[in-house]
Amino acid sequence: NAGVTQTPKFQVLKTGQSMTLQCAQDMNHNSMYWYRQDPGMGLRLIYYSASEGTTDKGEVPNGYNVSRLNKREFSLRLESAAPSQTSVYFCASSEDFRSADTQYFGPGTRLTVL
Amino acid sequence: SQQGEEDPQALSIQEGENATMNCSYKTSINNLQWYRQNSGRGLVHLILIRSNEREKHSGRLRVTLDTSKKSSSLLITASRAADTASYFCAPRGGSNYKLTFGKGTLLTVNP
Repeated sequence: NAGVTQTPKFQVLKTGQSMTLQCAQDMNHNSMYWYRQDPGMGLRLIYYSASEGTTDKGEVPNGYNVSRLNKREFSLRLESAAPSQTSVYFCASSEDFRSADTQYFGPGTRLTVL
Repeated sequence: SQQGEEDPQALSIQEGENATMNCSYKTSINNLQWYRQNSGRGLVHLILIRSNEREKHSGRLRVTLDTSKKSSSLLITASRAADTASYFCAPRGGSNYKLTFGKGTLLTVNP
């Protein structure tokens, strides 16, 4: 039972390059989330998927797209990376978005955009 | 959106001492969660307290909630070096189902 896994762990991009961050969970959770964490800023929600087939914007969605590929997988895409997107990205999942439940986090992806 | 604000921003104590950190929020909540983040790792859920609860315990953790003051506190008793981490509160309320995290309290436990 791996929980929430993320790939890659580290990535360096040049400005304008694109990439996709992958996230998968094996807990049969309905809801999944993408956050970014910057020094001194706490975690900010980028996008979330309350259930398979749905996605919604969070607090800081600009510059990102997401895909809920199936119940297990939720990917985050940067179409044209910018230095402001240098951050640590965390994926999380929970049983159900609307219930008062726990979120389980992956180990994070450290992204640097030069 | 609902966001918790942790206080203090940083706390340094000796092993064996108790650590108390606080969380304040602005609007009514259904529940409040505390998470821990070790350096370079993802967040780990510690405890959830519902709005109709005043206190909850889990091992060496004690959480209190005062909805009249819109505040919560997390007490870690008999701290260990392994408790060194950042601690975040996440209040959750009303029709806003999303968790919003503050900047956290960085706890350093010195051996």
